[in-house]
Amino acid sequence: GQQLNQSPQSMFIQEGEDVSMNCTSSSIFNTWLWYKQDPGEGPVLLIALYKAGELTSNGRLTAQFGITRKDSFLNISASIPSDVGIYFCAGQNYGGSQGNLIFGKGTKLSVKP
Amino acid sequence: NAGVTQTPKFRVLKTGQSMTLLCAQDMNHEYMYWYRQDPGMGLRLIHYSVGEGTTAKGEVPDGYNVSRLKKQNFLLGLESAAPSQTSVYFCASSYRGSLGFYFGQGTRLTVV
Repeated sequence: GQQLNQSPQSMFIQEGEDVSMNCTSSSIFNTWLWYKQDPGEGPVLLIALYKAGELTSNGRLTAQFGITRKDSFLNISASIPSDVGIYFCAGQNYGGSQGNLIFGKGTKLSVKP
Repeated sequence: NAGVTQTPKFRVLKTGQSMTLLCAQDMNHEYMYWYRQDPGMGLRLIHYSVGEGTTAKGEVPDGYNVSRLKKQNFLLGLESAAPSQTSVYFCASSYRGSLGFYFGQGTRLTVV
């Protein structure tokens, strides 16, 4: 089945630094999504990308849908302690009856004040 | 607006016991999903439903059953729990698979 490779697995950064993480796939997706999961909580949608080449921002977060439709990246600028958590990418294809998300394994972000 | 609500939040089972996890959504979403999350594995789809009265298998369905008798509820059942089913279970819903998924807060299940 489809699989996503998300990297890095974990990051330890200083408050104020920028962060970059990415996802690649061996197959194409129609939609890329980025989620954040806080400890003890469910994933929360950060950004959704619907078009190849699309660049979308949400505050300090910027994500791009790769031209080949097989990759996406997420950047966080000027990180703050509340950015700590696990970030998941997810790819989705419509057309089938389920519209299921395929998730990456996550990037665990730690921010040192 | 509660969104997606899962009950219970925590549960400990003995091997061989059965239980049902309840997911309720108040967003009138057509699609509902059950995922399990294990360390280093991301989220894997167990079963899903595209509407009331319909269910289908996901990536890891063995040992689980589901029912969608009402549009707002999606139940996940374990008939005979095994230690390999120790995990955090998340329910999600979406409007016909688009516009993002909304997740519940999760159920942490331990099978001893």
